[in-house]
Amino acid sequence: DQQVKQNSPSLSVQEGRISILNCDYTNSMFDYFLWYKKYPAEGPTFLISISSIKDKNEDGRFTVFLNKSAKHLSLHIVPSQPGDSAVYFCAASEGGDDKIIFGKGTRLHILP
Amino acid sequence: DAGVTQSPTHLIKTRGQQVTLRCSPKSGHDTVSWYQQALGQGPQFIFQYYEEEERQRGNFPDRFSGHQFPNYSSELNVNALLLGDSALYLCASSLVGAYEKLFFGSGTQLSVL
Repeated sequence: DQQVKQNSPSLSVQEGRISILNCDYTNSMFDYFLWYKKYPAEGPTFLISISSIKDKNEDGRFTVFLNKSAKHLSLHIVPSQPGDSAVYFCAASEGGDDKIIFGKGTRLHILP
Repeated sequence: DAGVTQSPTHLIKTRGQQVTLRCSPKSGHDTVSWYQQALGQGPQFIFQYYEEEERQRGNFPDRFSGHQFPNYSSELNVNALLLGDSALYLCASSLVGAYEKLFFGSGTQLSVL
């Protein structure tokens, strides 16, 4: 039972354009959402997060949007750069719970 | 500043054997979590250790056990290995209460034959 779903296994975007990665969740008790980025042969690295009391959080080229009514969040990367090519994991946690639930990931390819 | 280090990087075992994986957390971190990442899947929470105690556990059988030492380093033990235990095992460290900012190691790739 996948509580965090990333339905696009891969995505290709032209360098300089916007990359939009999507994520859906089923557990309405989730109140904190995160995005992690993973390069081959490395562990995931924290990218950006958002609390359920917000609908948007920005950090440089990265913006995460949260739509609680739709149980949907998205990560926008503008402009996309070659170094952004990686696997992106959406993750969520429930208040006070140290267990973080990850999606299966989306592989982003930035094309020259 | 050393990040999270895991050893070994790769390991091959046969069914029924036992394995121990090791993790040293990032300097200053006191909490260690273990995740299993099967091929094509996201990391799945196994358990978390804080103050040498198992703080929380995911949906894994008792064959998976762990330990945290006074220096905050940790071990993951898996007994009676099954083929399905083949996966990348990731260790993540954090400060208690700041669990959302996990710092991951590069993982141990375990192959069970």
